[in-house]
Parts: sequence; C-alpha cells; structure tokens
Amino acid sequence: NAGVTQTPKFQVLKTGQSMTLQCAQDMNHEYMSWYRQDPGMGLRLIHYSVGAGITDQGEVPNGYNVSRSTTEDFPLRLLSAAPSQTSVYFCASSSPTGATYEQYFGPGTRLTVT
Amino acid sequence: DAKTTQPPSMDCAEGRAANLPCNHSTISGNEYVYWYRQIHSQGPQYIIHGLKNNETNEMASLIITEDRKSSTLILPHATLRDTAVYYCIVRVREYGNKLVFGAGTILRVKS
Repeated sequence: NAGVTQTPKFQVLKTGQSMTLQCAQDMNHEYMSWYRQDPGMGLRLIHYSVGAGITDQGEVPNGYNVSRSTTEDFPLRLLSAAPSQTSVYFCASSSPTGATYEQYFGPGTRLTVT
Repeated sequence: DAKTTQPPSMDCAEGRAANLPCNHSTISGNEYVYWYRQIHSQGPQYIIHGLKNNETNEMASLIITEDRKSSTLILPHATLRDTAVYYCIVRVREYGNKLVFGAGTILRVKS
C-alpha cells in the first residue's frame, strides 16, 4: 500500500490564484481530513469527511472547499489564494474498523502564497 | 475534547529513557489519551493510546495516573531518530472523531 499520498509537494501561488491540493489513500479508509500547520504551530483542522458524499467543516474552513466523490480521493480547493494561506497542508485518513481509530497522515504539501 | 498541557521542550541523552508528561485535568470518563509525534515537518505519526490502564507497544509505554488527570509517554531507549514534536491529545475514541493538536513538546535527543 502507498498509504496516504499528496500532490504537489511544493507549490507557489500568487494572491488571487486558485488551485487544488490532491489527496489519495489506498487503504479503503472512509474518514479523511485536511489540516494546515503554520510555522511553529500545531495542526489545525480545515475540513473532514466521514465517507463519500459527506463533508463537514473543521476549525479553520474559510477560503477552502472540499468534495468527496470517491472513497479514495479528498481534494482541497483554494478558491482565491491569500498570503495568510501560506502553510503546510496535511491530509489524513482513518478506518472505521480499526481498534485505535488512529489517523494516517500524508507527507504534506508546502504552499507559499506571494 | 479535554485540553492538554505539555512542556514546550525537553532534552534526553541518547540511550536513556525519555519521559514526556502531559496534564489533562478536565478529562472525561469516555475520553482516551492519544500520543502522536511529528518528525521534522513530516506528517504526524500515531504512537500509542490508552484509557486508564498502562499500555505498551513496540514504540513506547503510556502511564496514566489513577485519577486520569495526567499521563507520561515513555520512550525506553531514546535514539537520535526520536527527536520530534510529541503531541498529547485527549479525545473520545469513536469513528470520525477529530484530532485537536496543541503545541506539543519538542524532544531533543542528544548524543
């Protein structure tokens, strides 16, 4: 299994541009989520999904959209990039059948908005 | 979810045990203590979790006080590769439950 994969690894955007961060998992996990991590800070939840067709907001959802059309993919869209969205973005997934409900994280996407 | 308090940083000598404390005085009866770590900007990695009994796995041990208001993560023989930020998270163990990360403890293992 590849686990949780994220693309791209690095991205530079200009203010006002839009883009989609990709996240995919091959573990058949139903729960997926997006976090952002600013320098020297802990992770903050942006959006999450408990299954295909179901999404909900986390702690910091403004400026981001998500959709979940398949179990495997959970893309994060930046509608109009702002410098405040410069951050490292992590995607995570979790299985409903595991005893721990532990979350598996991807390697992250480093986004800079100028 | 209950809030947690961790020291901002700790040092440990290589080969010695690293003991990372966490206070969670407002923990509820159905909330578990989870530990994750993040090595140099990689994605966080699950370490261990527990409810009220002490737990051990291949990575670490978790000691929870009898009143459940605090816990200690123990890395028995710390190596340089254990240098990371360690997060103590208290949450209900249910499907779809969110993780709430604090600032964590920066553990520096030194040779």
